[in-house]
Amino acid sequence: TQLLEQSPQFLSIQEGENLTVYCNSSSVFSSLQWYRQEPGEGPVLLVTVVTGGEVKKLKRLTFQFGDARKDSSLHITAAQPGDTGLYLCAGNYNQGGKLIFGQGTELSVKP
Amino acid sequence: DAGVIQSPRHEVTEMGQEVTLRCKPISGHDYLFWYRQTMMRGLELLIYFNNNVPIDDSGMPEDRFSAKMPNASFSTLKIQPSEPRDSAVYFCASSPLAGGYTDTQYFGPGTRLTVL
Repeated sequence: TQLLEQSPQFLSIQEGENLTVYCNSSSVFSSLQWYRQEPGEGPVLLVTVVTGGEVKKLKRLTFQFGDARKDSSLHITAAQPGDTGLYLCAGNYNQGGKLIFGQGTELSVKP
Repeated sequence: DAGVIQSPRHEVTEMGQEVTLRCKPISGHDYLFWYRQTMMRGLELLIYFNNNVPIDDSGMPEDRFSAKMPNASFSTLKIQPSEPRDSAVYFCASSPLAGGYTDTQYFGPGTRLTVL
């Protein structure tokens, strides 16, 4: 059974602080995606990483894929209250349509 | 496009009753996924379809759960009989192209099911 472990599970910070969320597995991913979910809504894709060592930036968000394609991180610089939400990583192991989701990181950014 | 449409948005029912959740995927998307989200287990894939054909139902918890996709624009997830432990938010998602591993999944707003 493939498992994706996210850490931390909960994170409460002040506006302007930086943070990093981690996603780890013992299995190699074909690709990894990060989604963000707001209360009462479905997850929305932020980014897809495919190549080991790949780094992608989306404004204040930086996503990194580990060299061995077993782990990933999401770094937010100068967090804002609008960043509050549930961040989910999702891995694809077999190049099919099926994704395995991590448990999520609940982020709260206080003004 | 209106996005993935799910109905109802909220469902409250009593144990033993039949529950039917509905989903209309984004037009032109070949893949449709049903997920269940709870605090304890997170987001779990229940079943997914490709071109209306079920591909992987290994996540369906038990025989009380069934899913159908009679055509490209409609899918149902049925629970019969329902139990309190089925209480969760159920999401439908659809994906374009041929299920490539970089495809985006577009999620609906979810159906919050409460079984009393």
